[in-house]
Amino acid sequence: QSVLTQPPSASGTPGQRVTISCSGSSSNIGSNTVNWYQQLPGTAPKLLIYSNNQRPSGVPDRFSGSKSGTSASLAISGLQSEDEADYYCAAWDDSLNAPVFGGGTKLTVL
Amino acid sequence: QVQLVQSGAEVKKPGASVKVSCKASGYTFTSYGISWVRQAPGQGLEWMGWISAYNGNTNYAQKLQGRVTMTTDTSTSTAYMELRSLRSDDTAVYYCARDPPNWGYGMDVWGQGTTVTVSS
Repeated sequence: QSVLTQPPSASGTPGQRVTISCSGSSSNIGSNTVNWYQQLPGTAPKLLIYSNNQRPSGVPDRFSGSKSGTSASLAISGLQSEDEADYYCAAWDDSLNAPVFGGGTKLTVL
Repeated sequence: QVQLVQSGAEVKKPGASVKVSCKASGYTFTSYGISWVRQAPGQGLEWMGWISAYNGNTNYAQKLQGRVTMTTDTSTSTAYMELRSLRSDDTAVYYCARDPPNWGYGMDVWGQGTTVTVSS
C-alpha cells in the first residue's frame, strides 16, 4: 500500500489529452513539492516533472504538472505512442522523514 | 555527459549480503547526494535511502534500518549500497540516482539498474 495514491491504469488515443492523479496527505503533498517520473518498459525511471510543474531540459512541453492542496496531477497533451509507460509521483513526507512514491500508473496508448 | 554506471547482476542465497556500486561521472560528485531505489518484479518504486557525497550523512528507510549501509568513495566518485541478511523479497532491480540534498529538484540522473536475485 503506497503512501501516495495513483490510479493503476490510464489510457488514451493518439493526440488526446490524458491526466494522471496523485493523492496524498498534509504531511507529504500538502506541505512539499511533487516530482513525476516516467519509466519506459525495461528501462530506468526518468525525471519528467520536478517542483510540481517544472520540466527538466529536454522534456517536451506536452508534459505538465500541477498541485492543489493534497493532490497533484500530471497532464500529457498530444498523446503519442512513445508515451506508453509507467508514471510515478513522489513527494517528501515530513512524518516519515523520507520521500514516498505513488504506486504507479500504467499508461496505454490505444 | 552526466551518468551513473552500476555494477552487474548478482545472485545470492538467503541470509547472504550484497554490495552494489554506482560510479558517477560528468559532474562534481560531492555536490550531490545519491538515493537508492529498488523495484521488485512487477511492482512500483521503493526508496531505500540517501547518502550525501559531500559529508557521508545518511538517511535510511525505516523498514531497512539495520540491514542497509550506504557509503561513498570520493576518490573514485563511487557510491555503494550494501544490504545484509537477504530474503527472497529483496529480489529486485536496484537503482542509484543523483539526488540533491534539498527536496524539490528530483532524482535527475539514474543508473541503469542492478538485478539482485535472492534464491536458495
